[in-house]
Parts: sequence; C-alpha cells; structure tokens
Amino acid sequence: DTAVSQTPKYLVTQMGNDKSIKCEQNLGHDTMYWYKQDSKKFLKIMFSYNNKELIINETVPNRFSPKSPDKAHLNLHINSLELGDSAVYFCASSQEVGGWYSPLHFGNGTRLTVT
Amino acid sequence: AQSVAQPEDQVNVAEGNPLTVKCTYSVSGNPYLFWYVQYPNRGLQFLLKYITGDNLVKGSYGFEAEFNKSQTSFHLKKPSALVSDSALYFCAVRDPMNRDDKIIFGKGTRLHILP
Repeated sequence: DTAVSQTPKYLVTQMGNDKSIKCEQNLGHDTMYWYKQDSKKFLKIMFSYNNKELIINETVPNRFSPKSPDKAHLNLHINSLELGDSAVYFCASSQEVGGWYSPLHFGNGTRLTVT
Repeated sequence: AQSVAQPEDQVNVAEGNPLTVKCTYSVSGNPYLFWYVQYPNRGLQFLLKYITGDNLVKGSYGFEAEFNKSQTSFHLKKPSALVSDSALYFCAVRDPMNRDDKIIFGKGTRLHILP
C-alpha cells in the first residue's frame, strides 16, 4: 500500500494549458503539503493544509490553486502553465502529535514538463 | 525565520569508510531537525530526527546524527559507507516557535560512495 500517492507521475503539456495533480494519503494524517523541486533539486514549500484548512501559502503565483476536499486529499490545480513551472511537485503529509509534527511522508512526485 | 545550510554540494567517500554530511541551522528557539534521503525518481524518505533528549540520534540504515547546540549543527554520519548509500541527502529544520509547521529544507548534498 502506497502511503502517499500522486497522479500522474509524468505530465507533459504546452504553455497556456490548465492541469491538475492529485494527491491522496492513507496514513490518517491531518496535514498535507505541496513542495516544488526545481532542476537544481532545491525543495520549496508551496502550500500546507490542516484538516482541509489552508495554513501555509508561500509566495506562489495565483495560477496555482490547492484544493482539499477532505483531509486525505490535496489536489493542485495550475492555470495558464508557463515554462518556468516545469519541475517535480511533491505531495507530503504529517500528523500533529502532542504539539509537534511527525516527520513528513512524501509521495514519489509528479514531473511536470511545460513545452 | 528559520534556515538550514548544507555547505557541500557533493561528498565522495570510499566504500567501508566513515561518512559525514554536514548541516547547520538557524532558528529562534530550540529546533526540530530532520534528515531525509532521496533516491533517483523517488520522493524523500525520512532517516532520523532530533526533537529533544540525547544529542546523538540513530536512524534508518545505520545512519546517525549529532545535535550540537553550540555549533548549531546536525551532521549526518555513518561508520561504514555502502555503495547503496549513494543518494541525495537533505537536512531540514522546523522552528517550533512558529505554529505554521513550516519545515525548511537545505539545498541537498549528493553523496557518492565509491566501490
């Protein structure tokens, strides 16, 4: 059983298109995240949701919109894709335990290529 | 704001030799510190953490790390390297004074174990 699963694994699309990446976790965690890893492997947080409520929203273009229908799912929708959006996007989850958060559990990533 | 630095882009170690991957951090309070490993085309995997207690923490695959408050460091170590340890290693920090649970990652250090 995959704990954090993302779909699709690869996504190739043209500039200007709109696309979505889905993420589901079966760990029962209450917090989910989206991270972006660029070509130099830098990992930067984009969003964090706790029990469907947005708690972290970094400086990300408005074209990126996360949606959490329930605490096991956090999807990422991207409008008007640009070349610079090409990256690997990772979903992750964690659980608050007694005031601190468990380590992050990551999905295997979605490699987005914008042409 | 918290930050974490990994001063080495790459570390080369001969198989069987001890290895060290360096990490320093900056937080306003007592840090929560983590090490993750990333294999090609995979998400990050949790190795070990320091929250409180013993400064030497042991983790997966024979790795350990030592928390040094005076030097604000959390170097990753292993007594005898394996070729299979070759991967990208990330140090991460969370400042528990910030309730937003923002976990900041270093830029990563690529570890090459030479047979």
